[in-house]
Amino acid sequence: NAGVIQTPRHKVTGKGQEATLWCEPISGHSAVFWYRQTIVQGLEFLTYFRNQAPIDDSGMPKERFSAQMPNQSHSTLKIQSTQPQDSAVYLCASSLGQSTEVFFGKGTRLTVV
Amino acid sequence: SQWGEENLQALSIQEGEDVTMNCSYKTYTTVVHWYRQDSGRGPALIILIRSNEREKRSGRLRATLDTSSQSSSLSITAAQCEDTAVYFCATDRGGSNAKLTFGKGTKLSVKS
Repeated sequence: NAGVIQTPRHKVTGKGQEATLWCEPISGHSAVFWYRQTIVQGLEFLTYFRNQAPIDDSGMPKERFSAQMPNQSHSTLKIQSTQPQDSAVYLCASSLGQSTEVFFGKGTRLTVV
Repeated sequence: SQWGEENLQALSIQEGEDVTMNCSYKTYTTVVHWYRQDSGRGPALIILIRSNEREKRSGRLRATLDTSSQSSSLSITAAQCEDTAVYFCATDRGGSNAKLTFGKGTKLSVKS
């Protein structure tokens, strides 16, 4: 079990460019979560999928951010027209189901210059 | 304690000392999760305490929960250098693990 795999581990984009972050949840896990971590805001929930269906995206910025889960083995978080304030560590997590342990990946550090 | 608008707190102790980290939360929860995050890694669950439990132990870890004051604590007995990490409390909605709300965290440094 390699755990939740996130790629790339580091990404640097220029302001206005698009960034796509990838997540491979633990095999068999039905729930996938995305969080963002910054020094100022701490860990913030972005969105979550259950059985590939979007369940709650209340934490997603309304513009420029989108997440998808095209199959049970991967999810993507896309940020269009990146801005310096998007710089953060983006964490993907998965769990077997409700009320079970949530396992986090190592995160993708996004830097917008 | 960690929550709300507080910044990340920092604690530095000597190896062998006991330490307690506190957390207060604002919204209803039936479970408090405690996570630790090592440098360059994602958070990892270390102990979970439910509203029908006042205390939970796991090895050198002890968590308490007071639902009346909406507060929880995590204690580490005889801290080791490998306990150095950032510790977060998190709450969820009604026992579901969806949408965890994390505190700002406590950066614990254990020195030999």
